[in-house]
Amino acid sequence: SAVISQKPSRDICQRGTSLTIQCQVDSQVTMMFWYRQQPGQSLTLIATANQGSEATYESGFVIDKFPISRPNLTFSTLTVSNMSPEDSSIYLCSVETTTSGGFSYNEQFFGPGTRLTVL
Amino acid sequence: KNQVEQSPQSLIILEGKNCTLQCNYTVSPFSNLRWYKQDTGRGPVSLTIMTFSENTKSNGRYTATLDADTKQSSLHITASQLSDSASYICVARRGYSSASKIIFGSGTRLSIRP
Repeated sequence: SAVISQKPSRDICQRGTSLTIQCQVDSQVTMMFWYRQQPGQSLTLIATANQGSEATYESGFVIDKFPISRPNLTFSTLTVSNMSPEDSSIYLCSVETTTSGGFSYNEQFFGPGTRLTVL
Repeated sequence: KNQVEQSPQSLIILEGKNCTLQCNYTVSPFSNLRWYKQDTGRGPVSLTIMTFSENTKSNGRYTATLDADTKQSSLHITASQLSDSASYICVARRGYSSASKIIFGSGTRLSIRP
């Protein structure tokens, strides 16, 4: 399993500013993911961040708006840039591990989320 | 089209009652399916994970079933408690390699009333 912490847990920000969200994992993981969850909606993948390479962004998300850093195997940051009220969401960090045993499979764990409100 | 559909969208039941949430998936190639519980304002927490060869898996009062032929899964909650109030999300994984993708359902919002 993996234990994930995020900072800050919540924030209220002004339009036009930027916020950097930190994600810390208690073990080394190759794949880390950033998701957005708008009110009442399910999770939407923003990007995949692998250590040692540039993040891969999903359709509708760009690096200028959501720059990501992945300096090592236990840490990542997501920045929400030039924020607008439409960016108000919960932002979740997630990691994937591979279980071992009779039948290995990928398991995904989620952080507690960062609740962002943009005024 | 790869997608996961959940029903009902929302459900209200009395404390102590049982309930069953449904998930239909059209994901290929199918790797595994998970149910998550997400409390309001928190990240999802895994309840069960099932591969195509597993039919039933239990985690306390939660029992998940999987029918790989009909591509259906259910989550049964027994003797519900107030703390079961949350969103329950069904997630199917497509593919097996590191390039595999997970597909999220839109969730069922469950409310337990005293």
